[in-house]
Amino acid sequence: NAGVTQTPKFRILKIGQSMTLQCAQDMNHNYMYWYRQDPGMGLKLIYYSVGAGITDKGEVPNGYNVSRSTTEDFPLRLELAAPSQTSVYFCASSPSWINFPDNEQFFGPGTRLTVL
Amino acid sequence: AQKVTQAQTEISVVEKEDVTLDCVYETRDTTYYLFWYKQPPSGELVFLIRRNSFDEQNEISGRYSWNFQKSTSSFNFTITASQVVDSAVYFCALSEAGYGGSQGNLIFGKGTKLSVKP
Repeated sequence: NAGVTQTPKFRILKIGQSMTLQCAQDMNHNYMYWYRQDPGMGLKLIYYSVGAGITDKGEVPNGYNVSRSTTEDFPLRLELAAPSQTSVYFCASSPSWINFPDNEQFFGPGTRLTVL
Repeated sequence: AQKVTQAQTEISVVEKEDVTLDCVYETRDTTYYLFWYKQPPSGELVFLIRRNSFDEQNEISGRYSWNFQKSTSSFNFTITASQVVDSAVYFCALSEAGYGGSQGNLIFGKGTKLSVKP
């Protein structure tokens, strides 16, 4: 199993550009999450999904959109990039809610995004 | 409201010293879960331990030990005989049972940066 994979690893955007951060997992997990980590801070939840076709906002959703058309993929979309979105983005997944919430979230390696 | 506080921003020790990282949490739920993650300089997040609110037993894993005390809402992490490879940022996190789709969302502290010098 590859676990949780994220692409790209690094990206520099200009203000106003758009991009999609890709996240995929091959563990058949229903729950998936997007977090952002700002320097010197812990991670904050942007969006989460409890299954294909179901998404909901986390603590800091403004400026982002998500979709979940399959169990495996959970892309994060930035429509109009702003300097405030400079951060490291982590995707995570966890198993079915039957064993929830006493379970571990598996994290991807992160995407470092800079908006200039 | 739920919150995790790691008051120690940075700690520096010399190899072989013991070090304790503090974590204080706030929650209204009676069922919740506490986690510690390690983030080495390479940037990935490494799961260390998970604890549920009904189990206050301390846990030891090699040089690592955790002290969970509900009375003080604390979940402290001790590294015994620290090593240079322990240098990393350590995050404490809280997950509430909640209801609906909000279960499992992790609320992170700001992290404690540990530097272990040879």
